[in-house]
Amino acid sequence: AQSVTQLDSHVSVSEGTPVLLRCNYSSSYSPSLFWYVQHPNKGLQLLLKYTSAATLVKGINGFEAEFKKSETSFHLTKPSAHMSDAAEYFCVVSEGPKLIFGTGTRLQVFP
Amino acid sequence: DAGVIQSPRHEVTEMGQEVTLRCKPISGHDYLFWYRQTMMRGLELLIYFNNNVPIDDSGMPEDRFSAKMPNASFSTLKIQPSEPRDSAVYFCAIRDDVLTFGAGSRLTVL
Repeated sequence: AQSVTQLDSHVSVSEGTPVLLRCNYSSSYSPSLFWYVQHPNKGLQLLLKYTSAATLVKGINGFEAEFKKSETSFHLTKPSAHMSDAAEYFCVVSEGPKLIFGTGTRLQVFP
Repeated sequence: DAGVIQSPRHEVTEMGQEVTLRCKPISGHDYLFWYRQTMMRGLELLIYFNNNVPIDDSGMPEDRFSAKMPNASFSTLKIQPSEPRDSAVYFCAIRDDVLTFGAGSRLTVL
């Protein structure tokens, strides 16, 4: 079975500093991986997806993630945090048609 | 959210009442999913359909929960009778290449 582990439940950064949200995956084959974002009282929005075409994946709002098979990681990064980035972020792995969600990382951005 | 319309957005009901949540996919899809989100348990997959046929309902917590998809443009999730522990946000989502979520239905059972 596929699974993802988000290593931090909360991350706090200052506006303008880099963001790193960590995710490790477990998969018996080359996985499809995603990051979703959920702003307060909103639905979930796709940030980016990895499907083996390129190890560095660029998403919306300046986010990107790098697939590292040797480390079984798919960490999400952004060079400079903005106040509007404050939200819950979910790392997701595909298992057939189903998507298996991690427990989420809440990102706080301080002025 | 434009690909999936959920109703009601908010519902407050009393324990024992029947609750029906609705989902209307706007765009084309092969799969439709129902998820539940709570603070304690995060996002849980309840059930999913492929071409209107239920494929995996192992996430449905109890017999009080049922889901139907009579056609490609409509699905319901019903809870009868409802209990306070059913309070959560229920999301409907469709998948073609990626998963597209509706805005969710926030259910409060008193």
